[in-house]
Amino acid sequence: KAGVTQTPRYLIKTRGQQVTLSCSPISGHRSVSWYQQTPGQGLQFLFEYFSETQRNKGNFPGRFSGRQFSNSRSEMNVSTLELGDSALYLCASSLVQKNSPLHFGNGTRLTVT
Amino acid sequence: QKEVEQNSGPLSVPEGAIASLNCTYSDRGSQSFFWYRQYSGKSPELIMFIYSNGDKEDGRFTAQLNKASQYVSLLIRDSQPSDSATYLCAVNGGDTGNQFYFGTGTSLTVIP
Repeated sequence: KAGVTQTPRYLIKTRGQQVTLSCSPISGHRSVSWYQQTPGQGLQFLFEYFSETQRNKGNFPGRFSGRQFSNSRSEMNVSTLELGDSALYLCASSLVQKNSPLHFGNGTRLTVT
Repeated sequence: QKEVEQNSGPLSVPEGAIASLNCTYSDRGSQSFFWYRQYSGKSPELIMFIYSNGDKEDGRFTAQLNKASQYVSLLIRDSQPSDSATYLCAVNGGDTGNQFYFGTGTSLTVIP
């Protein structure tokens, strides 16, 4: 079974631009979550989507948004990029049942200059 | 604010020894607990999960959960150099669905 696929792997953007990251979950996984990982803050929860609806949301500003499509694929958008948005963005998928483990993709490394 | 605390290390053990990694969490209502391993430059990979008090063994790995003390641990027996990585403790704090809270990780080095 194929794992979680994230594209692109690397991105370089300048301040003020916007970016869209994509995630395809493991087949059969309908919950998709996004996390930001930085050396200083570790892994921080952005949001979770299930059935095309945002089910949980972390403490990030509104510049961070996401969506999920009917095939469970998900996208994450960051508008008006700031230098502090430079991070590894990880997508994780899981089964619907609460407490199911997360399975992570390889991540997208975003650098904002 | 739900918190997960880990000793950041670094933790060094000789090859063949037992490595013990510890984690505490703040939300007493948490029901599921996870250990992930992350190699440098890679994404986290699931090692084990545990839901009930007590021990759960999988090969060289044993997860231990004590809900009364809000404490989770991971033991790695017969440590190998390939076990050298950062180990992340995670707790699902979502009331519905998945909202995982991660510790900052413990860096483990196994010395040949």
